[in-house]
Amino acid sequence: AQSVTQLGSHVSVSEGALVLLRCNYSSSVPPYLFWYVQYPNQGLQLLLKYTTGATLVKGINGFEAEFKKSETSFHLTKPSAHMSDAAEYFCAVVKAAGNKLTFGGGTRVLVKP
Amino acid sequence: DGGITQSPKYLFRKEGQNVTLSCEQNLNHDAMYWYRQDPGQGLRLIYYSQIVNDFQKGDIAEGYSVSREKKESFPLTVTSAQKNPTAFYLCASRSPPGGEDNEKLFFGSGTQLSVL
Repeated sequence: AQSVTQLGSHVSVSEGALVLLRCNYSSSVPPYLFWYVQYPNQGLQLLLKYTTGATLVKGINGFEAEFKKSETSFHLTKPSAHMSDAAEYFCAVVKAAGNKLTFGGGTRVLVKP
Repeated sequence: DGGITQSPKYLFRKEGQNVTLSCEQNLNHDAMYWYRQDPGQGLRLIYYSQIVNDFQKGDIAEGYSVSREKKESFPLTVTSAQKNPTAFYLCASRSPPGGEDNEKLFFGSGTQLSVL
């Protein structure tokens, strides 16, 4: 069985500071990994994904994530937080060629002026 | 424009009542999913369908039912057996392997279900 753990259900950062959201996964086979963002009362939007190839993945809105197989991690970062980054972020994993996507518990980001 | 449409945006259920949430997609995707979102619990998989006329239970299928009679449609019925239905429900479809949208999930905007 696969699972996803996001460390910290709430994260508060100052505008302009580094955003770091942690995601660790367990999977019996190499996974595909995703980060999604959800703004209030909206659906999910894909930020970035890792399937194969380069382990540092760049996404939209200045976010990036690095797949580290040895650490079973896929942490999300953004060098400089903006007020518009305030949202909830979800990490997700699916087995390559599988169909069951498993989500982490989500991390709510608060950006302080 | 291609995408996923969920309706209604808000839904209220009376005790003992079955309600159906609509999910329609015009992306020609085979795979579709229903997730439930509760505060602090993230998304949990209710049901998923890999192809028309086929569906499987997810992690929390009890109290729910689905059908997949058409590729475009994957409605979710919340039955009276679901004792705690208040949640935000998200429908999704997944693009096939290969191409620019390699196995990408597309989400609807969600339905907030509340119990009266």
